[in-house]
Order: sequence, then C-alpha cells, then structure tokens
Amino acid sequence: QSALTQPASVSGSPGQSITISCTGTSSDVGGYNYVSWYQHHPAKAPKLIIYEVNKRPSGVPDRFSGSKSGNTASLTISGLQAEDEADYYCNSYTSSNTYVFGTGTKVTVL
Amino acid sequence: EVHLVESGGGLVQPGRSLRLSCAASGFPFGDYAMGWVRQAAGKGLEWISFITGKVYGETREYAASVRGRFIISRDDSKGVAFLEMNSLRTEDTALYFCIRLGPNWFDPWGQGTLVTVSS
Repeated sequence: QSALTQPASVSGSPGQSITISCTGTSSDVGGYNYVSWYQHHPAKAPKLIIYEVNKRPSGVPDRFSGSKSGNTASLTISGLQAEDEADYYCNSYTSSNTYVFGTGTKVTVL
Repeated sequence: EVHLVESGGGLVQPGRSLRLSCAASGFPFGDYAMGWVRQAAGKGLEWISFITGKVYGETREYAASVRGRFIISRDDSKGVAFLEMNSLRTEDTALYFCIRLGPNWFDPWGQGTLVTVSS
C-alpha cells in the first residue's frame, strides 16, 4: 500500500487560507468516506482535526475544514494563525482493511 | 479524561525482540479497537497495526512492512494493548505511538515510546 500523496510544504500569511491536498486511489480515498486529518507539532502527540472527510471533533476550531472529490481529499485552514504551523497528515481506510497515511505536509505561517 | 501511555521502548540489537505496552484509561477499553503508528526520525507517520475488541472477534491487521514479524494483542481485563516486535531490523527504529480507533480514525494518541534497533 503506497502512501497517499501530499505536497511537502504549504505556506501562508496570518489570516490567509491554505489548502492541503491528499491524493490516493479508488482503493482508499476514493472508495470510502473514512479520510481523517492529523496535526502534529514537534515533540507532541499528533492530534485528530478532521474525521470522516469533513467532520470536526469537539474543540477543533471551525477554521479547519475537510472535503473530498474523487480520489483526492483536501484540508483547508481558513484564517491561518501562528499556532497552525505544524505538520499535517491525511489518513484513509483501505480496501485491504488497513490504513494508510499521507506523506505529510509542513505548514509554515509567514 | 481519555489517556494512553506507552512503555517498553529501548535499544535492541537487530534480530532481537521487544514488547511494547499501551496502558489505557478513561474509557471502556473493551469497546474500542486499538492500534499502533510509528514515525522514524525525519520521516512521516506509518500505520502499523490494529486489533478490534473481543466482541468483534479480536481481528488483527498489519502493515506489509511488519506482517509476519509483529504481533498485536490486548488484555481487556487490564486495559492494556501490546505490540510484540520480533526479528527487528534497523529500519524499525522509530517513535511508536499507541492509538485508539474511533472506529476509522485515530483519537487519542499516546506520547510515544522510542525504539532503537542498532548493534
């Protein structure tokens, strides 16, 4: 199972919006609405920010949103803030009853 | 509060074995699938394995990179999940995170335990 494809880095100024893509296949992203997104600050445990494509856990700001079209899922951060600077990973359930992460995207707030 | 605490990491020689533990608290452990994710230094996250609860038959799945070498298990009476790692390779060196499945997402995560495979 190959890792899902994400851009290595994305940057934006405070207040701007950025979008991170996550491209898989019809055997993972395209086949199921089980895409989740994780925020990972260095030396901390990763944190769930989106599950089932576009649902936000309680406590996650509504500036984080998710969507999916075909084999590509996307995470949008609106109103970018300094504390959003982190690594972001998508994840999908697969047809093999396993899971696969994306390659990860480093978000930089300029 | 839901809490996961990993232990058992350390330095081990290639070819040897190591067992990781994940102590859970704050939720009905037997009702949830549990799993493991790892991250090598400077690399991305890699899903390793999960095990469902007894009511779902304790189904186990593994990533291809560890299948046949790693064994996941659980003790619902103690609220602990395990990862038995055998025939360890240098490429297994990583920070290993314990996760609760929710059911198709991972929340929460433990802080991780470091495994170093080196001679």
